Amino acid sequence: QVQLQESGPGLVKPSQTLSLTCTVSGGSISSAGYYWSWIRQHPGKGLEWIGYIYFVGSTHYNPSLKSRTTISLDTSKSQVSLKLTSVTAADTAIYYCARTVGLMTTMNAYDTFDIWGQGTKVTVSS
Amino acid sequence: DIQMTQSPSSLSASVGDRVTITCRASQSISDYLNWYQQKTGKAPKLLIFGASSLQSGVPSRFSGSGSGTDFSLTISSLQPEDFATYYCQQSYSNPPVYTFGQGTTLEIK
Repeated sequence: QVQLQESGPGLVKPSQTLSLTCTVSGGSISSAGYYWSWIRQHPGKGLEWIGYIYFVGSTHYNPSLKSRTTISLDTSKSQVSLKLTSVTAADTAIYYCARTVGLMTTMNAYDTFDIWGQGTKVTVSS
Repeated sequence: DIQMTQSPSSLSASVGDRVTITCRASQSISDYLNWYQQKTGKAPKLLIFGASSLQSGVPSRFSGSGSGTDFSLTISSLQPEDFATYYCQQSYSNPPVYTFGQGTTLEIK
């Protein structure tokens, strides 16, 4: 079955760039119909969608983070990457990658996050 | 952005209880509403999509209902493994800006 694994530095200094990688195993990152999202969870708080990428390279970001976010894909390594620039303490969070797919009923397709990585904790501190 | 508000924020219940968690959207989202369960230290798990469709492998004691702005997640008979935090999430926005509720923590009474 498809599994996702996040990796990257656990500590980033303020004003620097946060860089994380999500490695996808057990399935193709290039399968049609699947988007690859990054989602974060601030300590003890709720969930915030950061953005996603489709296998052809098209991206869409949360407007609140768009100016600082880049999501990219390396299909040869089956990896999705996240870069978040000019980080502050407010970017301290657990970062998850998640497969995003439209699950079908008889009526519609509903975008869901159906498979998640285990998350990686990132602290922004000097 | 569409704001999602859950109530209550926390809930104490006993094994075997029937519990209901509600989620309200700041505007109509039809039935583009998903529910997730998150256990401590783990990633969220998809339970229900499209307001009422059970994800594969999820026990039938979980059910969802609602449309428009008001939704609910019901657990018909709480099991020990159900004590967790539950989040609703809308997927109505186009272009997508997926947003989550703040979570409801279900605790053992």
